[in-house]
Amino acid sequence: GAVVSQHPSWVICKSGTSVKIECRSLDFQATTMFWYRQFPKQSLMLMATSNEGSKATYEQGVEKDKFLINHASLTLSTLTVTSAHPEDSSFYICSASVLAGGPDTQYFGPGTRLTVL
Amino acid sequence: GQNIDQPTEMTATEGAIVQINCTYQTSGFNGLFWYQQHAGEAPTFLSYNVLDGLEEKGRFSSFLSRSKGYSYLLLKELQMKDSASYLCAALDSNYQLIWGAGTKLIIKP
Repeated sequence: GAVVSQHPSWVICKSGTSVKIECRSLDFQATTMFWYRQFPKQSLMLMATSNEGSKATYEQGVEKDKFLINHASLTLSTLTVTSAHPEDSSFYICSASVLAGGPDTQYFGPGTRLTVL
Repeated sequence: GQNIDQPTEMTATEGAIVQINCTYQTSGFNGLFWYQQHAGEAPTFLSYNVLDGLEEKGRFSSFLSRSKGYSYLLLKELQMKDSASYLCAALDSNYQLIWGAGTKLIIKP
């Protein structure tokens, strides 16, 4: 149980284009989903937290107009990187948890590797 | 400020035992997680401790001392597949996960 999928697994795009990444909880309803970014040899950096049906809460330094997050249902959240640039190239990972505000385990998706040319 | 400290890298021998330490300073505390992350992959959950003491799960055990702000992950009977980064993360009073930078564990034959 507690499987999270991400699509696509990897994407290469040209500078200036937008890229959408989907995160789905396959066998449970995720009250809260998290979006992380990880640069090579660095730890996870939380970008934003989203609860179903409400606006995402972005971490300091993360541009909400650049990284659009939509959490339309209890099983789906999307991250859209708008007008991507080479410095946005990174490993983007989503995670999902069942209980909002509780000491719950986060289940991670397999990640999406974004390369912007 | 909030901070998680863990060693950057450790090396151990196949079949041996290794202990990865983690110290934390957070605003409030609601538990500590250990995750395993293989290169190029997302983290996978290993353990969660909120009470003092040792939790054992097969070859892996995790220990917590709340008074000392200290945890360790103990890996026994090391296998080559255990080569990975091990991430320590503490849950603060707002139930936000504060992540360590990870410990890269290298297993040698």
